[in-house]
Amino acid sequence: AQKVTQAQTEISVVEKEDVTLDCVYETRDTTYYLFWYKQPPSGELVFLIRRNSFDEQNEISGRYSWNFQKSTSSFNFTITASQVVDSAVYFCALSEAGGNNRLAFGKGNQVVVIP
Amino acid sequence: NAGVTQTPKFQVLKTGQSMTLQCAQDMNHEYMSWYRQDPGMGLRLIHYSVGAGITDQGEVPNGYNVSRSTTEDFPLRLLSAAPSQTSVYFCASSFSGTDGNTIYFGEGSWLTVV
Repeated sequence: AQKVTQAQTEISVVEKEDVTLDCVYETRDTTYYLFWYKQPPSGELVFLIRRNSFDEQNEISGRYSWNFQKSTSSFNFTITASQVVDSAVYFCALSEAGGNNRLAFGKGNQVVVIP
Repeated sequence: NAGVTQTPKFQVLKTGQSMTLQCAQDMNHEYMSWYRQDPGMGLRLIHYSVGAGITDQGEVPNGYNVSRSTTEDFPLRLLSAAPSQTSVYFCASSFSGTDGNTIYFGEGSWLTVV
């Protein structure tokens, strides 16, 4: 069965600090997909990134970066130079190939950026 | 392009009442699903569908019913609402295939059962 663990529940940072969110996953499949979603205070889920299990390259998108390490089953997310608009809940999720796009979510990280 | 549309956005129900949360997508996606979000629990899968006429249970299906008569619509029915069903409900859709397609979510439906 697939499982996603996000250990930290709430993380507070001062604006312009970096923040890293840890995501550890479990799956028996060799082909799987990892996602990060952002949920701002307004409540909607915003897609941030999708990564397949065969692509271990790190990715950077603006102030966001992701570090995928199959050896440790981790897909960590870093926000560089945080801003107040980054205050949100961030979810890591996993779907398995052939799993009909069913997502297993972590419990989420509440990020609070203090101005 | 409306994407995934959920209605209603907010609803208050009395225990024992029934209601239907509507979900529609205009992207011709084969896959649709319903999740519920509870504090500290992340999102959990209730039911999903891989195409019209095909549905299956997810992690927390009890107390909910679904049907998929068209590709566009995937309503979620609460047969006899209970306070434990107070939650935020999200509908999602995506294309089929095994390449980890992007999964699109609706804006959520806030349901309170009193």
